[in-house]
Amino acid sequence: GENVGLHLPTLSVQEGDNSIINCAYSNSASDYFIWYKQESGKGPQFIIDIRSNMDKRQGQRVTVLLNKTVKHLSLQIAATQPGDSAVYFCAESGNNAGNMLTFGGGTRLMVKP
Amino acid sequence: DTAVSQTPKYLVTQMGNDKSIKCEQNLGHDTMYWYKQDSKKFLKIMFSYNNKELIINETVPNRFSPKSPDKAHLNLHINSLELGDSAVYFCASSQVEGATEAFFGQGTRLTVV
Repeated sequence: GENVGLHLPTLSVQEGDNSIINCAYSNSASDYFIWYKQESGKGPQFIIDIRSNMDKRQGQRVTVLLNKTVKHLSLQIAATQPGDSAVYFCAESGNNAGNMLTFGGGTRLMVKP
Repeated sequence: DTAVSQTPKYLVTQMGNDKSIKCEQNLGHDTMYWYKQDSKKFLKIMFSYNNKELIINETVPNRFSPKSPDKAHLNLHINSLELGDSAVYFCASSQVEGATEAFFGQGTRLTVV
């Protein structure tokens, strides 16, 4: 991708373990970051977002961490479940025409029962 | 109660044909988008459109054109289809441009033969 780098690797975890999915971005002017989950045959679904004035945000079983110093974003999923199996995308926006979301390449999460 | 709906879900057509994909959103959003997802799952923005402005990704061939009859619809017209146009196309919408969550449709899998 242009600003958000993540080639489609696969993360395999055991059910009940915690998962961490990482994302690097290159645009220091990005001010909004978002994680999406895409299940097979479906469109991306919003998980959680964070703005650049924060470094951590928590949702239900998910936490997003933002490290602006090293331009790194991570998604932590607690107590991973089989239903969490999907491709996860990070995306960012800011400082481009229309402030459109720019997506990274995705990570496939496989949860073993 | 579908928020962003696309039709058709699958489209198989021959090279050289002209086709359209329809998209409707019932969220009252001001901005709509088209994304292309290739075989490696990479999501790339094609267009961003609101009632004021169309922003085109400069890498999109001019065979692709969005048409918006009203705020709730953004259709994608593709002329002279090529093999390389085969992909999954996603429509999305957001309340405002850019730094906010975008809601995605289920996607249209286009296969050019």
